[in-house]
Amino acid sequence: DAGVIQSPRHEVTEMGQEVTLRCKPISGHNSLFWYRQTMMRGLELLIYFNNNVPIDDSGMPEDRFSAKMPNASFSTLKIQPSEPRDSAVYFCASSLRDGGPQHFGDGTRLSIL
Amino acid sequence: GENVEQHPSTLSVQEGDSAVIKCTYSDSASNYFPWYKQELGKGPQLIIDIRSNVGEKKDQRIAVTLNKTAKHFSLHITETQPEDSAVYFCAADNYGQNFVFGPGTRLSVLP
Repeated sequence: DAGVIQSPRHEVTEMGQEVTLRCKPISGHNSLFWYRQTMMRGLELLIYFNNNVPIDDSGMPEDRFSAKMPNASFSTLKIQPSEPRDSAVYFCASSLRDGGPQHFGDGTRLSIL
Repeated sequence: GENVEQHPSTLSVQEGDSAVIKCTYSDSASNYFPWYKQELGKGPQLIIDIRSNVGEKKDQRIAVTLNKTAKHFSLHITETQPEDSAVYFCAADNYGQNFVFGPGTRLSVLP
């Protein structure tokens, strides 16, 4: 029973480069969430989708961040241009329905030099 | 918006003892309260959850209690084991409209 799959697991890149994080939710789940985790700010919700439609993106830090969900089995979070302060662990989660348990992937550890 | 506080931030217990972590929330509309366990290098994993129409829920060594009037809920782990060592997060949600995590509690179970 496959869980939420994220790629890559680790990404190291230089400031100014474009970064794309990928997520495959659990099959049949209709809600998808992107989180960022840092020591200073803990787990922050960036954006969530319901039935592939962005519902709340108020947590997206700024215009350099964008997220898409072209179909029910794939989502991307893109940072362009990247900055050192974007370094964090980014998690994707999915749930069967609104207000249901969220299932997390193992995250992408992003380091911007 | 919702604000979730969690205490303590760190907790050390002897193996076999009980551990209690407490959370408070601010939005009275919140109706779903999950608890997650995060181990090093992994994503948070759901360990137990409770909805607002229930006051207590138990699953083996883990239990959660909810006091809606006071807007607080607690995680209780009995007979702690070294593998219980991890960071625990509480969260509050209102039908997916306002999912907010607490800041986390680092639990260390000493052998």
